[in-house]
Amino acid sequence: DARVTQTPRHKVTEMGQEVTMRCQPILGHNTVFWYRQTMMQGLELLAYFRNRAPLDDSGMPKDRFSAEMPDATLATLKIQPSEPRDSAVYFCASGLVPGGNQPQHFGDGTRLSIL
Amino acid sequence: AQSVAQPEDQVNVAEGNPLTVKCTYSVSGNPYLFWYVQYPNRGLQFLLKYITGDNLVKGSYGFEAEFNKSQTSFHLKKPSALVSDSALYFCAVRPVGTGGGNKLTFGTGTQLKVEL
Repeated sequence: DARVTQTPRHKVTEMGQEVTMRCQPILGHNTVFWYRQTMMQGLELLAYFRNRAPLDDSGMPKDRFSAEMPDATLATLKIQPSEPRDSAVYFCASGLVPGGNQPQHFGDGTRLSIL
Repeated sequence: AQSVAQPEDQVNVAEGNPLTVKCTYSVSGNPYLFWYVQYPNRGLQFLLKYITGDNLVKGSYGFEAEFNKSQTSFHLKKPSALVSDSALYFCAVRPVGTGGGNKLTFGTGTQLKVEL
């Protein structure tokens, strides 16, 4: 089965450090989504891309977060500088459009802890 | 703007009994509706979807969901629960025909606990 691959699976770092999370979408998928999951806020959409172009990043704190797709096989989410409140599980999902009835496919996430 | 409500934070059911996880939605026009399941330390996994046609949709692992347009509901059901069904379940909606990608609006999730 094709899968969305996220690296690293776990990351522990100190406040102020730069964090980069990577996502390899399913081959052929042309939309990529970044979500954050916490106990308090649940599942939040941070940003999404179509054909590598950012469509909406309104859910993302602009001052410290950035999302890019350098090529069709790689999406990155960066936090600089990181803060303890950024501790969460970050998920990447990919999908295919047109075809709004197609599901998004999720990776297994990056569990981020900022000390 | 669309929204999804999952009114129960947790549902407890005995193994072998039927289960229902509730979902109601609000959307302009017709909806695409989805159910996802999340096991511990894993990503969300697609279970089933409603597009059009038959109001009873069958999905993975014996799950099914019933679309009710008049009640704007899409409840997840299974005739006989298993302990291994214990997980977090998310309902999601997307309006038919909107452009810009297949962005979904998710509910807050319902924790299902199946006990022996």
